Amino acid sequence: ETGVTQSPTHLIKTRGQQVTLRCSSQSGHNTVSWYQQALGQGPQFIFQYYREEENGRGNFPPRFSGLQFPNYSSELNVNALELDDSALYLCASTLGQRGEQFFGPGTRLTVL
Amino acid sequence: SQELEQSPQSLIVQEGKNLTINCTSSKTLYGLYWYKQKYGEGLIFLMMLQKGGEEKSHEKITAKLDEKKQQSSLHITASQPSHAGIYLCGADSGGSNYKLTFGKGTLLTVNP
Repeated sequence: ETGVTQSPTHLIKTRGQQVTLRCSSQSGHNTVSWYQQALGQGPQFIFQYYREEENGRGNFPPRFSGLQFPNYSSELNVNALELDDSALYLCASTLGQRGEQFFGPGTRLTVL
Repeated sequence: SQELEQSPQSLIVQEGKNLTINCTSSKTLYGLYWYKQKYGEGLIFLMMLQKGGEEKSHEKITAKLDEKKQQSSLHITASQPSHAGIYLCGADSGGSNYKLTFGKGTLLTVNP
């Protein structure tokens, strides 16, 4: 148990739809990072939020966006879903900008 | 951008045998993290290495960092079925945000 939760566990969407994934960080952790993990691959960094502001972004298009809230929860929004967006989406929280990242169990997104 | 190569991609060992997983970086390592993942689940933190020559152990797992070679190894002694899973190495890019770049993982199977 890492103290990081994600919802929903599984999600099925169709191409072109929009999806919102949620993450609840450990209390006091003011940094959250989101990763996309395709089948058979390592996690790929999407973006990071620190104190409710985006603090770095990986090689993902603008249709991937996020929000971080004062209550240590965060969201990942993906618009205009594509088949290649099918993956496990992981969030990780950190106390401060550097330190051990605590990962949630992930949300499995399937795009049909 | 930094890339991490893990070897082997998969490994099948008999219970009680020792094994080693390697992780080689294309760039200087500022911090190297080892995680374990059960299929389709979140990542469990194992160890973090920051200094060249550093070696850490936890139960039967030992990790070493060779900074000059930009390489880390994870060694499991007397493997058990509970060690089975996907082992991922992640590297800190050293930038202003705490972004981890991961290898593709090593799938470990331990036969009883």
